[in-house]
Amino acid sequence: EDKVVQSPLSLVVHEGDTVTLNCSYEVTNFRSLLWYKQEKKAPTFLFMLTSSGIEKKSGRLSSILDKKELFSILNITATQTGDSAVYLCAVEAPPFADEKLTFGTGTRLTIIP
Amino acid sequence: DGGITQSPKYLFRKEGQNVTLSCEQNLNHDAMYWYRQDPGQGLRLIYYSQIVNDFQKGDIAEGYSVSREKKESFPLTVTSAQKNPTAFYLCASSIGSPLNEQFFGPGTRLTVL
Repeated sequence: EDKVVQSPLSLVVHEGDTVTLNCSYEVTNFRSLLWYKQEKKAPTFLFMLTSSGIEKKSGRLSSILDKKELFSILNITATQTGDSAVYLCAVEAPPFADEKLTFGTGTRLTIIP
Repeated sequence: DGGITQSPKYLFRKEGQNVTLSCEQNLNHDAMYWYRQDPGQGLRLIYYSQIVNDFQKGDIAEGYSVSREKKESFPLTVTSAQKNPTAFYLCASSIGSPLNEQFFGPGTRLTVL
């Protein structure tokens, strides 16, 4: 059974701090790993990673994948209160042509002003 | 505006009643998905459909049913057989080919009294 594990489950930091969120996975037929940010309702897409060692960056957020060690990290530098959210990691590991995603439990990040 | 809509936002039902959650998209996406999210947990896949008139069970399909008669619509019925139906339900869609992210609707919070 495919498994995605995120850590920590929750994290509280002060504004301006840097945080690192972790996602490890055990799946067969790995295709891609995705990060989503969920504030109140719908998760919004952040990154898709398919290749090891290539950093994806968007503003203060960055993410990298290690396919040998089967994990990814999401970094947020100079955190702001608007970064408070649940961050979800998902892995696309289809049996055949399906594009199903398996999600982790999420990391709840709270930024204190 | 292109997007995914879910209705209603909040739904209350008595135990033993079937209820149908609506999901519509105008993104011309082939694939659609239903997830369930419980407090402190990630998203779990209920059903998904990669093409009209076809759908597959996800990881927790028991007690749910779906139909996909039109490309734009993927309604989910929560039947009385579902033992713990109170949850937050998210619908998503994607182009349906590999390495394309899923886009999420705003969700429906179902409470069974």
